[in-house]
Amino acid sequence: QVQLQESGPGLVKPSETLSLTCTVSGASFTNYYWTWIRQPPGKGLEYIGYIYYKGSTNYNPSLESRVTISVDTSNNQFSLRLRSVTAADTAVYYCASTSRGRPFDYWGQGILVTVSS
Amino acid sequence: IVLAQSPGTLSLSPGERATLSCRASQSVTSSYLAWYQQKPGQAPRLVIYAASSRATGIPDRFSGSESGTEFTLTISRVEPEDFAVYYCQQYATSPHTFGQGTKLEIK
Repeated sequence: QVQLQESGPGLVKPSETLSLTCTVSGASFTNYYWTWIRQPPGKGLEYIGYIYYKGSTNYNPSLESRVTISVDTSNNQFSLRLRSVTAADTAVYYCASTSRGRPFDYWGQGILVTVSS
Repeated sequence: IVLAQSPGTLSLSPGERATLSCRASQSVTSSYLAWYQQKPGQAPRLVIYAASSRATGIPDRFSGSESGTEFTLTISRVEPEDFAVYYCQQYATSPHTFGQGTKLEIK
């Protein structure tokens, strides 16, 4: 059973960089696309992007200019960096896993990140 | 691909049949459409994938179907634990997009 756990600061100041890490357990790190998804309070889900274990990435065009997803296979972790944040980036951030031709099978519990001074 | 879900809110009593719709703005290749259930304070849970396949552990009262670009999630007899928000999602084309959600509430 794949388990994912998000970690990182719950509060980020406007214009700064949001940084989160997802730790994966219970599965081989290979052959998966490791994904970030977010959900503003009371709103729907938004795909941010994914990274394949080999390092190739895919980002939502609406966020691509500010997003970097990286992977650390030695520690079974992948990370999200979102630059120049504003209040509109306040959301619960989820990490999730998928593979080719599959939906998001496994999700972390989510972490609320608030952008505020 | 833009996904439009309807209705926004569906009010039913336990035991009734629920029909949730998701319309795609273009064809979804290989029927790569999923449905997720989300309860307050929880992460989404996969219910249906490939338009009509039930995920592991999902009761058979849940079913999915497809007609062209119209996808449907049906709950044959709604149980109290089924009241939640349901999202459709396509994973055929990047970016993988979600619908805006349908809230299934107790009448």
